[in-house]
Amino acid sequence: SAVISQKPSRDICQRGTSLTIQCQVDSQVTMMFWYRQQPGQSLTLIATANQGSEATYESGFVIDKFPISRPNLTFSTLTVSNMSPEDSSIYLCSVGTAGANVLTFGAGSRLTVL
Amino acid sequence: AQSVTQPDIHITVSEGASLELRCNYSYGATPYLFWYVQSPGQGLQLLLKYFSGDTLVQGIKGFEAEFKRSQSSFNLRKPSVHWSDAAEYFCAVISGGYNKLIFGAGTRLAVHP
Repeated sequence: SAVISQKPSRDICQRGTSLTIQCQVDSQVTMMFWYRQQPGQSLTLIATANQGSEATYESGFVIDKFPISRPNLTFSTLTVSNMSPEDSSIYLCSVGTAGANVLTFGAGSRLTVL
Repeated sequence: AQSVTQPDIHITVSEGASLELRCNYSYGATPYLFWYVQSPGQGLQLLLKYFSGDTLVQGIKGFEAEFKRSQSSFNLRKPSVHWSDAAEYFCAVISGGYNKLIFGAGTRLAVHP
């Protein structure tokens, strides 16, 4: 299965700033997704990162708050904009190949907003 | 809408005891079901999956799960728990033909020596 590298693994940020999380995969993948895991909670899908076009956001998530890029089949970024303490979460990148129906997850980026 | 329910938020077992984690799903068609494990400070690791065929599936680390369509369940089992199994376990179902997972709330497993 694909190997995913996420950067940063953790960060502490100030309220009002923005942070970009990178997801690098060691092979080309069809599907890339971004999930959020709030403290003590399960995982919630933020959006599907579409290669060469705008991401597809789930209900409750908007592009202005979580802009996503996916310039190629191995790389994506998620930006958390104008952060508040409520954005403190683990953000996970996941990837899959069409038809395989199995997602592989990165180790996550633990974000703390003060 | 598809959903996954894990009724047990927290379970504690003694090392060497058997384990069963419950998972119920709501899905119109034949579901693709998964169990993932998240150890402290780690990402998610796939334990096992069910797509079709034999309803008893074997996974890694000695885990197995049984798909029961009549009960809309996909419970995870292990005959003898090890201290290293302490983690959070998530049941999930694929939604809508895309590789998008819908997760349950998770069950946190504690193992007593």
